[in-house]
Amino acid sequence: GQQVMQIPQYQHVQEGEDFTTYCNSSTTLSNIQWYKQRPGGHPVFLIQLVKSGEVKKQKRLTFQFGEAKKNSSLHITATQTTDVGTYFCAGSFNAGGTSYGKLTFGQGTILTVHP
Amino acid sequence: GAGVSQSPSNKVTEKGKDVELRCDPISGHTALYWYRQRLGQGLEFLIYFQGNSAPDKSGLPSDRFSAERTGESVSTLTIQRTQQEDSAVYLCASSRISTGDQPQHFGDGTRLSIL
Repeated sequence: GQQVMQIPQYQHVQEGEDFTTYCNSSTTLSNIQWYKQRPGGHPVFLIQLVKSGEVKKQKRLTFQFGEAKKNSSLHITATQTTDVGTYFCAGSFNAGGTSYGKLTFGQGTILTVHP
Repeated sequence: GAGVSQSPSNKVTEKGKDVELRCDPISGHTALYWYRQRLGQGLEFLIYFQGNSAPDKSGLPSDRFSAERTGESVSTLTIQRTQQEDSAVYLCASSRISTGDQPQHFGDGTRLSIL
């Protein structure tokens, strides 16, 4: 089946350090979304990338979509303790068939920030 | 409220019992999704509904799992003859339409514990 692989599984950083999580698919994605789940909470939508090579920024967060639309990354500059949580990518594959409309989530990267 | 509502928030039951979990999506959202999240793990897709179309049941792990949704309203996920490995948080999400490019809005989940 279609899978989205996400690495690393865990990342521990000191406050102020940068953080990056990566997602890869063996199949071209229609679009990719990113979610954040705080400890004890539910996933919350952050952003969606649709175009090949697209880059979007939200304050200290930078999201990229690869040229081939098979990989994506989330980079956080100068992490803060409020960044703690699990970051998930979720990909949508081409329309058609039973996968249409369904998001395939990566396994998530658990980010810990030490003050 | 305006968000996705799930009930109960916690459910503890004995092995072998049946359980029913409820999800009330955001009003006007035609797509509804169920996921399972084991402790420290990613989101495991179970089933999704889009309007009156046949649901995508490809993620249901066994025939003990079933789900229903009437029109574009409430959905129930039923687990029969529960097993200990069913212990997890069951998350429901809804989106405006099911085209794979709409943000999914998650409820707080039902934490299911099988004794």
